[in-house]
Amino acid sequence: DTAVSQTPKYLVTQMGNDKSIKCEQNLGHDTMYWYKQDSKKFLKIMFSYNNKELIINETVPNRFSPKSPDKAHLNLHINSLELGDSAVYFCASSHRGGRDNEQFFGPGTRLTVL
Amino acid sequence: GNSVTQMEGPVTLSEEAFLTINCTYTATGYPSLFWYVQYPGEGLQLLLKATKADDKGSNKGFEATYRKETTSFHLEKGSVQVSDSAVYFCALTLPGGSEKLVFGKGTKLTVNP
Repeated sequence: DTAVSQTPKYLVTQMGNDKSIKCEQNLGHDTMYWYKQDSKKFLKIMFSYNNKELIINETVPNRFSPKSPDKAHLNLHINSLELGDSAVYFCASSHRGGRDNEQFFGPGTRLTVL
Repeated sequence: GNSVTQMEGPVTLSEEAFLTINCTYTATGYPSLFWYVQYPGEGLQLLLKATKADDKGSNKGFEATYRKETTSFHLEKGSVQVSDSAVYFCALTLPGGSEKLVFGKGTKLTVNP
């Protein structure tokens, strides 16, 4: 029944490690997003894919690499983790186009880099 | 560029008090406007939306009206409950463009019994 799911929910790791976060949506949407929420709750777009094609890449370090194997999945791989990467990462999905384009969010992945 | 400015909190109210959270926006085009809510430890949920000028979005007793002349989308509720305690985000998107959500900084609301 879960519309947008993310795994893992919590991720604690050491600086310098490589980690991945996975996202899946079962809403039949064609567009998926990654947002980062910092410690002050500020939310900012990182990436967006439409039909497996990258359409937004917002000045994110190239240590972050999104991958979309199909329309229902958007994964985020992070290389050489840094302390500043600690945040909550939210996946979202929507139908592209239309003024009432609602984005549905996953529960978030809390990443802590030690 | 496109941006959203919302009242910074935290806001603390007693149950049954009136709530207003101010939100204004700057956009290069004609945006759609949203309020999202984040309950403690959870993801974001859409609370309400408005896609054109003078539209009023409403849900769960919350309301917001899209005011193009003042570029505002203020959130109101006549009588808050303890269960309304959460962080509220005003956001915009520009249909036809990248359609990313641009968020305000969030306003934390605490309602005391």
